[in-house]
Order: sequence, then structure tokens, then C-alpha cells
Amino acid sequence: GAVVSQHPSWVICKSGTSVKIECRSLDFQATTMFWYRQFPKQSLMLMATSNEGSKATYEQGVEKDKFLINHASLTLSTLTVTSAHPEDSSFYICSASGRGRDGANVLTFGAGSRLTVL
Amino acid sequence: AQTVTQSQPEMSVQEAETVTLSCTYDTSESNYYLFWYKQPPSRQMILVIRQEAYKQQNATENRFSVNFQKAAKSFSLKISDSQLGDTAMYFCAFMKHVNFGNEKLTFGTGTRLTIIP
Repeated sequence: GAVVSQHPSWVICKSGTSVKIECRSLDFQATTMFWYRQFPKQSLMLMATSNEGSKATYEQGVEKDKFLINHASLTLSTLTVTSAHPEDSSFYICSASGRGRDGANVLTFGAGSRLTVL
Repeated sequence: AQTVTQSQPEMSVQEAETVTLSCTYDTSESNYYLFWYKQPPSRQMILVIRQEAYKQQNATENRFSVNFQKAAKSFSLKISDSQLGDTAMYFCAFMKHVNFGNEKLTFGTGTRLTIIP
């Protein structure tokens, strides 16, 4: 149980275009979702926290107009990289938290999405 | 603010041996969670073990165990009988206890562990 599906797993786009990454909790309701960015051989950097039905809370230094986060339902959050540029190329990971079917707290990560901007 | 420090960027050990990964943290919170996550080459984050700070007993999960020293703010991971599949990046992480899952994880910089056949 407690599976998080993240799509696409990799995407290549041209500079100036926008890219949407989806994060879905498959068997539990995710009240909170987190979006991270990871550069090669580095740790995970939290970008923003989103709670279902409310605006995301962005970490300091993260451009909210650049990285649009929507958490419209208890099973889906999306990250849209707007007007992507080569420096946005990175590995993006989501995690979702909520309660599993047994009522226990769950916190699970998606498999990540590799974005390459040409 | 919380900080998590992993002072060993890389480690390697022979298969079947035991290895210990270090982690220290700094916080003013009295209650919190500590985690070890594994990130293999697939880059999927996998929970290895979790410790609640108010529990004095060290958490164990099969070959994985922790040495939690609350006063010293230390949280090391011991891997016994290491296997080739243990080769991965290992991250230590901290979460405030206020409301599990609604609080963010603060990660250390990671330790790259290689198991040598």
C-alpha cells in the first residue's frame, strides 16, 4: 500500500516551453504533498509544500511564478515549470503524506521526474 | 531551523561486513522523528528506518539498526551482513513531531555507500 505515482519519469523540452509533472497517491488520500529538486550527486532540496485545496507554501528562493503547484484533490498534485530554461534541468521528486487504509500515517515518495531543457 | 549533517560523503565495505553511517543533527525541538532513506541508482527514495525521539529504544529493521543518542544529537545507521543491493546513496532526515506528514523533511547531504563483492 501507500503508492505514489509520478509522471512523466523523464521529459525533454525546448527552452521557453512549459512542462507539467503529476504526482498521484494511488491508494490513500494525500492531505499534504511536497515537491523537491535534486541536482546530480546532491541532496533533496524542498521547493514547496502543498495542502489539498489551498495555495502552496514555497521555500525561500523558489520562484512561485516559475514553479506552479496545484493540489486540487486529495490524490493529485501537479508541478508546472513555466517558460523552462536549461538551468531548470534537474530531477524533481514529489512525496505525499496522509493516512493509509489501516489509519496509520504514511509518507511516500514518487519515483521522480528527470527534466532536460534544451 | 533544523540542520542535519552527514560527515561521510562516501564509504565502501566488503560484502557481508558491517558498516555504520553517521548522522548528527541540530534542533531546539524536544520531540521529532528521524529517518534514514536509501536512494539506489533508480533514484527512488526508499524508507530504511524511522525513529521517534521520545522512544528510548533504538529502532531495528532486519539488518538495519540505529544508534540514537538524543543528548548528543546523533543518529547513526548500522547495516549488518551488507549485501550488494545495499549499494546506494543514504540520506539522514529530520521531521518535527507536531503533525506527522504535514511537516517537511530536512535532509542531510548524503553518504554514497558502495558494497564491494
